[in-house]
Amino acid sequence: KAGVTQTPRYLIKTRGQQVTLSCSPISGHRSVSWYQQTPGQGLQFLFEYFSETQRNKGNFPGRFSGRQFSNSRSEMNVSTLELGDSALYLCASRQTSGVVDTQYFGPGTRLTVL
Amino acid sequence: AQSVSQHNHHVILSEAASLELGCNYSYGGTVNLFWYVQYPGQHLQLLLKYFSGDPLVKGIKGFEAEFIKSKFSFNLRKPSVQWSDTAEYFCAVNDGRTGANNLFFGTGTRLTVIP
Repeated sequence: KAGVTQTPRYLIKTRGQQVTLSCSPISGHRSVSWYQQTPGQGLQFLFEYFSETQRNKGNFPGRFSGRQFSNSRSEMNVSTLELGDSALYLCASRQTSGVVDTQYFGPGTRLTVL
Repeated sequence: AQSVSQHNHHVILSEAASLELGCNYSYGGTVNLFWYVQYPGQHLQLLLKYFSGDPLVKGIKGFEAEFIKSKFSFNLRKPSVQWSDTAEYFCAVNDGRTGANNLFFGTGTRLTVIP
């Protein structure tokens, strides 16, 4: 079974621009979560989608948004980029929304904001 | 919200040495506990997990972890490390009580194994 895939793998943007990142979960997985990884803050939860509905949201500003499609693929959007948004953005999928289900991570999208 | 502490930021060991990485979490209720590993250039992979039952859990590649509820700890151990264990290790917790899926991660411990 193919793992979680994320596109693009690398992205360079300038301040003020917006960006859309994409995540395809493992086949059959319906839950997708997004995390931001930075050297200073570590791994922080952004949001989770299940069956096209946002189930949970972390403590990030409204510039960070997401959505999930009927095929469980998810996109994350960051508007009005700031330098501090430079990070590795990780997507994780799991089969259900139950807490005992394991999350599987993708390789991430490395976003650099200049 | 949960907080997760990994006190060792960088550990350097020689091959065949024993490993123990500390992990403490703040919430004392029902928790689910995980250790993930990130090898150089690779994505996060699950090493092991604890949901309930036997507090000593065994994972892949000879790793194990022990859940000690009274100490809010979930330390990772391996009796004899190999050079290929060089990686960054993350402890993570989610709140089993609320049903929320989000994981709270520690800041990670970088392990360097010297051949």
